[in-house]
Amino acid sequence: DVQVVESGGGLVKPGESLRLSCAASGFSFSSYSMHWVRQAPGKGLEWVSCISSSSTSIYYADSVKGRFTISRDNAKNSLYLQMNSLRAEDTAVYYCASSNNYYDRSGYWAPNWLDPWGQGTLVTVSS
Amino acid sequence: SYELTQPLSVSVALGQTARITCGGNNIGSKNVHWYQQKPGQAPVLVIYRDSNRPSGIPERFSGSNSGNTATLTISRAQAGDEADYYCQVWDSNTVVFGGGTKLTVL
Repeated sequence: DVQVVESGGGLVKPGESLRLSCAASGFSFSSYSMHWVRQAPGKGLEWVSCISSSSTSIYYADSVKGRFTISRDNAKNSLYLQMNSLRAEDTAVYYCASSNNYYDRSGYWAPNWLDPWGQGTLVTVSS
Repeated sequence: SYELTQPLSVSVALGQTARITCGGNNIGSKNVHWYQQKPGQAPVLVIYRDSNRPSGIPERFSGSNSGNTATLTISRAQAGDEADYYCQVWDSNTVVFGGGTKLTVL
């Protein structure tokens, strides 16, 4: 089965750090781009970050830029999200998801749809 | 930054057709993807690249995209279709989600 499984969530205080992991199986992980998407309680989906298959393209949402770092280890079929300087507003369920990619008319890398998604891991930032 | 606008809620009678819109500036020039999310579950892809159904998604789900509006259409709506639906595009090196639409089947 194609699946991704997140881990590493928990309760932390404002200003602290946390590292999320996502283990992939059932597909050629090294050929796919990967994403982190979060969902605050009762709210909609918010994209956090993505990384291309070879880590050459990395992008972040403005809300996490400079605080979060996405990375991957293709040898371990794993995706990571290092979260520093956490704030109360970072409280959410964090999902990882894979996507293939294409090159647009200008030749720029772009991800396609996100599929599959993991079940998510809850991060709570509270004093 | 690019914005996608969805209605907060849509209601449909059992067995009828539901249409969920996703508005964005010249969205017709972009690839639009749709996700279904049921309470307590992860999102599931239901339409990719405007109008394509992944394997396992019923033919009742279809999509279109033109001008400033993309539309997800659910024919013969069933109780099991009750969920939140999100549209998504890629713009300016950012994945953008719509705010989500809660579909209620009456």
